[in-house]
Amino acid sequence: EPEVTQTPSHQVTQMGQEVILRCVPISNHLYFYWYRQILGQKVEFLVSFYNNEISEKSEIFDDQFSVERPDGSNFTLKIRSTKLEDSAMYFCASRPFEESYEQYFGPGTRLTVT
Amino acid sequence: DQQVKQNSPSLSVQEGRISILNCDYTNSMFDYFLWYKKYPAEGPTFLISISSIKDKNEDGRFTVFLNKSAKHLSLHIVPSQPGDSAVYFCAGGYNQGGKLIFGQGTELSVKP
Repeated sequence: EPEVTQTPSHQVTQMGQEVILRCVPISNHLYFYWYRQILGQKVEFLVSFYNNEISEKSEIFDDQFSVERPDGSNFTLKIRSTKLEDSAMYFCASRPFEESYEQYFGPGTRLTVT
Repeated sequence: DQQVKQNSPSLSVQEGRISILNCDYTNSMFDYFLWYKKYPAEGPTFLISISSIKDKNEDGRFTVFLNKSAKHLSLHIVPSQPGDSAVYFCAGGYNQGGKLIFGQGTELSVKP
């Protein structure tokens, strides 16, 4: 069964460093998302991506964040200068087409900023 | 911003009995709702969805009920099994873009 994969599973970085979180969505899916979950809090929407551009972003997704689909299979989230409060689980998700409701989530990347 | 709320952080049920997980929402603009199950160290797994124009959807042991006047939805699991023990999230979604707004989650424990 196709699944969303994410690498790395755990990333430790120092404050101010750049990180790139990688995702391979399910093949043939058209919509891509990043969410995050700070420990003990809700899963929060960060950004949606369709047709090679951002379709919506949350207030969290400021200038320090960017997304890219560099090669038609990978979907990346970059944080340019990490802050302590960026420590969270980051989930990638994909959705097959507009009429479908369900999003399929990857296992997540745990980002720890020290 | 509490658009979607799950007021019970935990629920314990005996194996074979019914589990009822509840969710309230404040935003009438959601086009659909979904329930996800999550195990530790894994991503959320899709369980069942319901359009905002429906009031019930059933899939095997899982049934979701939507009460639009009360802005309330519930997930029924019958019969409950120990493997159902996990954190359950409800989420509201929009047709345009597909952004999901999640509740805080309810941890279900099914005891043998």
